[in-house]
Amino acid sequence: QSALTQPPSASGSPGQSITISCTGTSSDVGGYNYVSWYRQHPGKAPKLIIYEVNKRPSGVPDRFSGSKSGNTASLTVSGLQAEDEADYYCSSYAGNNNPHVVFGGGTKLTVL
Amino acid sequence: EVQLVESGGGLIQPGGSLRLSCSASGFSINNNYMTWIRQAPGKGLEWVSLIYTGSTTYYADSVRGRFTISRDNSKNTLYLQMNSLRAEDTAVYYCARDINFYDSGTYYGWGQGTLVTVSS
Repeated sequence: QSALTQPPSASGSPGQSITISCTGTSSDVGGYNYVSWYRQHPGKAPKLIIYEVNKRPSGVPDRFSGSKSGNTASLTVSGLQAEDEADYYCSSYAGNNNPHVVFGGGTKLTVL
Repeated sequence: EVQLVESGGGLIQPGGSLRLSCSASGFSINNNYMTWIRQAPGKGLEWVSLIYTGSTTYYADSVRGRFTISRDNSKNTLYLQMNSLRAEDTAVYYCARDINFYDSGTYYGWGQGTLVTVSS
């Protein structure tokens, strides 16, 4: 069982927006602004797309945005494109707790 | 170009040992917080171990006492020594570096991964 809770699946049509939630506790998501989101295509390594709740690394389009309220973080993908079909994982720093960093179980995003 | 390349994976019997390597280029691992993360087949991501720029290390409960993270700054290479391997250690092992020059649990620029299969 993963430490962070994500819906197992999500879907949307091209051009639409979808939001994926990630629920933790006050010891991880709620306690730190170090929430990240990763996108993983089949057979590939995860790629960081959102960090520190709502920052985007260089090269990540502004169609991806993040937010947090209490113990729940969210990833919104706007203007869905076929290439967005992938697995999405959230993670949170958990300080000196163990594990040091916790991940969500992943959400499979299908672009219809 | 910043790059991480893992190697050392393979098929190993339960109870055996394996050492994974992660060769870095384009940056110095000496100045970065480096981590190992694994992904069992068809499963999600699991944080495994972290090494600070000094000698401080952290481990997941599932591997503490069996795995050891280390680095050789002269070779710009990160290692994961895995002993007493179990079937549940079967996974693709990724190395990654923290996007910040401190411990923030934010992993950027992952390697391609190396598959470890523990089976008799």
